[in-house]
This record gives sequence, C-alpha cells and structure tokens, in this order.
Amino acid sequence: SQTIHQWPATLVQPVGSPLSLECTVEGTSNPNLYWYRQAAGRGLQLLFYSVGIGQISSEVPQNLSASRPQDRQFILSSKKLLLSDSGFYLCAFKGLADTGELFFGEGSRLTVL
Amino acid sequence: GQNIDQPTEMTATEGAIVQINCTYQTSGFNGLFWYQQHAGEAPTFLSYNVLDGLEEKGRFSSFLSRSKGYSYLLLKELQMKDSASYLCAALDSNYQLIWGAGTKLIIKP
Repeated sequence: SQTIHQWPATLVQPVGSPLSLECTVEGTSNPNLYWYRQAAGRGLQLLFYSVGIGQISSEVPQNLSASRPQDRQFILSSKKLLLSDSGFYLCAFKGLADTGELFFGEGSRLTVL
Repeated sequence: GQNIDQPTEMTATEGAIVQINCTYQTSGFNGLFWYQQHAGEAPTFLSYNVLDGLEEKGRFSSFLSRSKGYSYLLLKELQMKDSASYLCAALDSNYQLIWGAGTKLIIKP
C-alpha cells in the first residue's frame, strides 16, 4: 500500500534560523509530490510540486526552497526563517486513481518566534 | 482569477443533516474534491465529482452542478466525530487544485 510520512511533526524555530522538513513516500514510484502551507483560516497554498527527481516547480516566490534528491523523497528548506513562515506544512502525493486525489502526510506545525 | 467560496463555520446537532455549499470559479474545470480535516491533522479524501449529479457514499453525499459552478457536501445522521473542517477544492485546466479556506463544522449534542 501507498504511505507518506513527513517529519518533524512540530518545531519551534527562531527567526533567521534554517529549516528542513522531510517527506518520504512508500509503495509507489515516480509520484507527483507537493508541499503545501496552511495558515489559520485560509486554504491550502501550494508552495512546490515535483514530477520527478530534480524537477521542482515553485508556485509562490518566497524564502523557501524544495529539493527532490531521490524518487520518493521531498525536502522543504529555508536558509533563514521569517515570522511569516509560521504555519502548518503538508506534504502530499497524487494517487494512481483516475480521480487524482491527493494523499497527505501527517503535517508539520512550524512556529517561528 | 480563480476562487473557491465556502462558509467559514456551521453548527449542527448530533443526528441531524447538514449541507455545506461550495461555489467555484476556475480556469477550466476537471473535477471537484471534498476533504475532511480534523484539527491539527492532515486532510483526508471524502469525494470527487466531475459529472453533474449526486454521488452517495454512506452517510456522506456530494453534489455537483458544472453549469452553476456549485457543489455541496451533505452529511446525514451527524455524529460528534464529524466535527471537523471540510475543504472544497476544484481541479483547474492544468490539473492543479484550487482550495477553499474550509468550513468548520461544529456538532452539538
């Protein structure tokens, strides 16, 4: 079966510190992968998506970056966090069904102080 | 621009029926999703509609009218565990999901 995991689940970071969120998928090959951010009371904002190793598309210009070093690994990074980076970050992959539904990781709650 | 509208919050009583509406405006349309999201957790898939009409799945049903840019999620026999946010998302012509802000559903005993 297909599974997705992301970590860490919760982190508190000072402004200006680096960030690394990691996401891995099992049970599928060459999945489309996504990073979303969800701010309180707002819809999911697509940050990055990837259709293959080393292929990253950025949807929103910001101080975040993404990398896909392996087929089933997707990493969200920042060199210097801003207060506005606080939020709930979700990794997702697109399922194989014709509907194209997304399966989400557990989420990572980031608080920047 | 692309836009999804759904009510911010709704309240219903345990055992009752509630309908959550969603209207969308997208560049092209390739389907409408509903997801359930409990507080602090990731969204989970509930339904997908691409053709007009009603899709029933147990206590949950989803309706789509493409001509009206409208969908609703119908929840029957409400249970306390149905307290959650319900996210509407439309798939545009590029097969990218456009998300609504979610409707927080509060169930009262």
